[in-house]
Amino acid sequence: GDSVTQMEGPVTLSEEAFLTINCTYTATGYPSLFWYVQYPGEGLQLLLKATKADDKGSNKGFEATYRKETTSFHLEKGSVQVSDSAVYFCALSDQNQFYFGTGTSLTVIP
Amino acid sequence: NAGVTQTPKFQVLKTGQSMTLQCAQDMNHNSMYWYRQDPGMGLRLIYYSASEGTTDKGEVPNGYNVSRLNKREFSLRLESAAPSQTSVYFCASRRGGGDNQPQHFGDGTRLSIL
Repeated sequence: GDSVTQMEGPVTLSEEAFLTINCTYTATGYPSLFWYVQYPGEGLQLLLKATKADDKGSNKGFEATYRKETTSFHLEKGSVQVSDSAVYFCALSDQNQFYFGTGTSLTVIP
Repeated sequence: NAGVTQTPKFQVLKTGQSMTLQCAQDMNHNSMYWYRQDPGMGLRLIYYSASEGTTDKGEVPNGYNVSRLNKREFSLRLESAAPSQTSVYFCASRRGGGDNQPQHFGDGTRLSIL
């Protein structure tokens, strides 16, 4: 069945460091891929998405490229800020079902 | 810009009590979902409604029932609460009509069963 695997956390970075959160997926069809962010005490918010191979999603300095050959959708940001501290979820949508990774907690220290 | 609204935000129950979690969306979305979020386990789908008038079980449906009251509202009921149901519950909606549509989430209901 379909599934999403993302890197274990927690991740702690200094402000202005480079961020990568790995995400790989397994899917029977041609899924759409998403990254969501969850701030403390809130629900999940859509960060970015990509709907086909080689698409790059981007928002607020975050980027992720849909790599069909490696079944990956890694999240990157060139320079993180304290305000980026949150939990990040990778997800895929296939045949009207959503599948989420277990989440990666990011803490950015000044 | 209400989006997805969940009530209540917090609730404490005793074992065996019942309650209904409410969810409403104002985006005219066709599909609605209930998830639970537990530490280290990500989101697990309890039930979903692909369209008004239909409901289906997700990964962890035992101990729960749902009602798609109309296109806007999708409620989750615990008939006899158990401590294992202590969790944060999220409702989500989606326009439907294709896999490229994202889900939109409410802020959650934090439920404790004593």
